[in-house]
Amino acid sequence: QKEVEQNSGPLSVPEGAIASLNCTYSDRGSQSFFWYRQYSGKSPELIMFIYSNGDKEDGRFTAQLNKASQYVSLLIRDSQPSDSATYLCAPNTGNQFYFGTGTSLTVIP
Amino acid sequence: DVKVTQSSRYLVKRTGEKVFLECVQDMDHENMFWYRQDPGLGLRLIYFSYDVKMKEKGDIPEGYSVSREKKERFSLILESASTNQTSMYLCASAPGAKRELFFGEGSRLTVL
Repeated sequence: QKEVEQNSGPLSVPEGAIASLNCTYSDRGSQSFFWYRQYSGKSPELIMFIYSNGDKEDGRFTAQLNKASQYVSLLIRDSQPSDSATYLCAPNTGNQFYFGTGTSLTVIP
Repeated sequence: DVKVTQSSRYLVKRTGEKVFLECVQDMDHENMFWYRQDPGLGLRLIYFSYDVKMKEKGDIPEGYSVSREKKERFSLILESASTNQTSMYLCASAPGAKRELFFGEGSRLTVL
């Protein structure tokens, strides 16, 4: 069983702060890593993905990957109330994705 | 625009009924997936398909079957619904291996 661990939260940050979301995974064969955002009652939507060790930036979002430590994170800069959602980490191996249970983020105005 | 459509947003069924959940994608994607999502358990893969008439079991296939007769359509079947199959069911598609998933809006199934 491939495992993906995320802090369930809830994580609360004030508006404008940096939110840091962490994820560890068990399958060393995982090759790509996806972050999804899920608003309450909605389906997940892709935020960004990362394949290589290091950082990848996309607007206010930065994904960080360390394959040796089997660790991936998502930083959200200048957090906004609209960022309040559950964030799902999803490592990918070939055709299959494995999801963590998600971290609930609340951005306080 | 990317579109994954699930036939029913909300369903209520009785124990023992046969249930069909339909999913259609209009992006010519090769891969299609069925997940269920439950509080505290996250998304769990039921079945996936990487080609017409092909299917692979996910982590929790028991009590489910699938059908993929056409590339754009992937159906999930509950042969005899049970109360522990009450859940949110999410269909997704992807253009190929290692590519991002596109999700449908979900089907919330309640089995009484």
